[in-house]
Amino acid sequence: EVQLVESGGGLVKPGGSLRLSCAASGFTFSSYAMNWVRQAPGKGLEWVAYISSTGSTIRYADSVKGRLAISRDNAKNSLFLQMNSLRAEDTAVYYCARDLPSSNWPYYFDYWGQGTLVTVSS
Amino acid sequence: EIVLTQSPGTLSLSPGERATLSCRASQSVISSYLAWYQQKPGQAPRLLIYGAYSRATGIPDRFGGSGSGTDFTLTISRLEPEDFAVYYCQQYGSSPLTFGGGTKVEIK
Repeated sequence: EVQLVESGGGLVKPGGSLRLSCAASGFTFSSYAMNWVRQAPGKGLEWVAYISSTGSTIRYADSVKGRLAISRDNAKNSLFLQMNSLRAEDTAVYYCARDLPSSNWPYYFDYWGQGTLVTVSS
Repeated sequence: EIVLTQSPGTLSLSPGERATLSCRASQSVISSYLAWYQQKPGQAPRLLIYGAYSRATGIPDRFGGSGSGTDFTLTISRLEPEDFAVYYCQQYGSSPLTFGGGTKVEIK
């Protein structure tokens, strides 16, 4: 059974940093591209970042470019999101989501984690 | 950036009725690269449709997708109690990937 479990969310002050993790199981993690998608409270979905299966291709939404960094450790079946210079508008539930195998572009997402809440507030 | 506009914002229907949800794109969606998701309160989104009309694994055949270019539709042929939720469309043909604002299907 495919499982994605996020962790690392919490309350952080504006300008602060946080590192989210996503532990994957039930599939060959190293074969799949992965993404982070976020959802502000009561709002819709926003794609944040993409990483290819090998980590060689990375893409970001303009709203997070230069502040958030996606990475992965295929040996540990883990996906990460390093969040720096956080703003109030980054407050959201952050989901990790599985993409197509071996893609070099974000497509659609067939499995999602349960999400982890990041709150940016003083 | 392709803007996806979903309508209506809320659809009030009874179990057993047919639901028709619209997703209109500001530009043509390349290769009909459009997906639909269902989200229930407190849960992660669930993939229903990809490639405009292909059902994801395990999705009942009462869910159907259609359309091309700038106009896409998700149809639920007969609403079951578990289908009342928010539905999002998403395009993946152009950068950046974008989502629509969602349609809430509520019990009338």
